[in-house]
Amino acid sequence: TQLLEQSPQFLSIQEGENLTVYCNSSSVFSSLQWYRQEPGEGPVLLVTVVTGGEVKKLKRLTFQFGDARKDSSLHITAAQPGDTGLYLCAGATYGGSQGNLIFGKGTKLSVKP
Amino acid sequence: DTGVSQDPRHKITKRGQNVTFRCDPISEHNRLYWYRQTLGQGPEFLTYFQNEAQLEKSRLLSDRFSAERPKGSFSTLEIQRTEQGDSAMYLCASTPGSAPTYEQYFGPGTRLTVT
Repeated sequence: TQLLEQSPQFLSIQEGENLTVYCNSSSVFSSLQWYRQEPGEGPVLLVTVVTGGEVKKLKRLTFQFGDARKDSSLHITAAQPGDTGLYLCAGATYGGSQGNLIFGKGTKLSVKP
Repeated sequence: DTGVSQDPRHKITKRGQNVTFRCDPISEHNRLYWYRQTLGQGPEFLTYFQNEAQLEKSRLLSDRFSAERPKGSFSTLEIQRTEQGDSAMYLCASTPGSAPTYEQYFGPGTRLTVT
């Protein structure tokens, strides 16, 4: 069974702090996506990483794909209350199903002003 | 910019009733996925269409569940004889067929509550 483990499960921080969220698996993924989900809404795609070791930046968010394509991290610099939400990582595997994603359970982030 | 839409957004039903949800994908996206998300969990894959063909079904999709995409555009997901365990958010996502990175664009979901 392919699993994506996300840590931490919950994170509550003050505005201005930095944080890192981790996504780990024993499986190799052809690509990995990060999504953010607000309560009662569907996930919104933030970024896709494809190449091992790849780093992508989206304003204050930095995403990294592990060299072996088994893990990823999301780092947020100077967090703001607007960053509050559920952060989900999702992986697609080589071969097998045509792109159905395997999701982690998510990291619920709360940024307090 | 028309994203993925789902209808209804919320559905409350009594145990044993049938319910049907609709998903309209992004125009020209030929792949459409259904997921289910319960509290504290990430979305779990249910089924997937390439145009009108249903190509894969998860073991989560019991015999009470059926999905269609008759003309390769919108899709419906029907649950017969609902059970309390069916209470969840049902998410639809679409992607262009040629997307090698499998980026999926999700709708707002349908929240089902079975009483």
